[in-house]
Amino acid sequence: EVQLLESGGGLVQPGGSLRLSCAASGFTFSSFAMGWVRQAPGRGLQWVSSISSGGGSTFYADSVKGRVTVSRDNSKNTLYLQMNTLRAEDTAVYYCAKERHSWSGSSQDYWGQGTRVTVSS
Amino acid sequence: QSALTQPASVSGSPGQSITISCTGTSSDIDAYNYVSWYQQYPGKAPKLMIYDVSNRPSGVSNRFSGSKSGNTASLTISGLQAEDEADYYCSSYTSSSTLGVFGTGTTVTVL
Repeated sequence: EVQLLESGGGLVQPGGSLRLSCAASGFTFSSFAMGWVRQAPGRGLQWVSSISSGGGSTFYADSVKGRVTVSRDNSKNTLYLQMNTLRAEDTAVYYCAKERHSWSGSSQDYWGQGTRVTVSS
Repeated sequence: QSALTQPASVSGSPGQSITISCTGTSSDIDAYNYVSWYQQYPGKAPKLMIYDVSNRPSGVSNRFSGSKSGNTASLTISGLQAEDEADYYCSSYTSSSTLGVFGTGTTVTVL
């Protein structure tokens, strides 16, 4: 059974940092691209970032470029999202999602339960 | 990259069929057969319902079907049931971004 378990969310002040993690199991982690999608309160889904299966290619939404770094450790089956210089508009539930392919953007067949990030003073 | 356009809400009575549209551009829906649909209940994670325009993952009811014509994709739910009441999002691969693009979302109400 595929499982994606996010952690690391919480309350942080504007300008602060957080590191999200996503522990994966039930599939060959190193064979698939992975991504982070967020959903602000009452809003729709928004791509944040994605990373290819081997980690050599990373992609970011314009809204987070320069403030966010995605990475993965295929030996630990874990995906990460380092978020710096957080803003109020980054407040959202962040979902970890598994891509159906080794590359990003086609579709995401499994999602984690989400971790909530609140940026507020 | 602008979001794909979906109607804000669609409703139907139990047993009826409804269709949700998803309108994109020549850079996404019209150009690629990588349209997906997701179902999301309040407070829950999205669930993949359709991928590659019209394919259903294992375990998804055959009451859900997808199609595409030009720059518009559609999700049809036949034999509408109370459990189908949820938010639905389309998404597509796009040449404008390496991340893909989501739709604005549609709330389905079962009357």
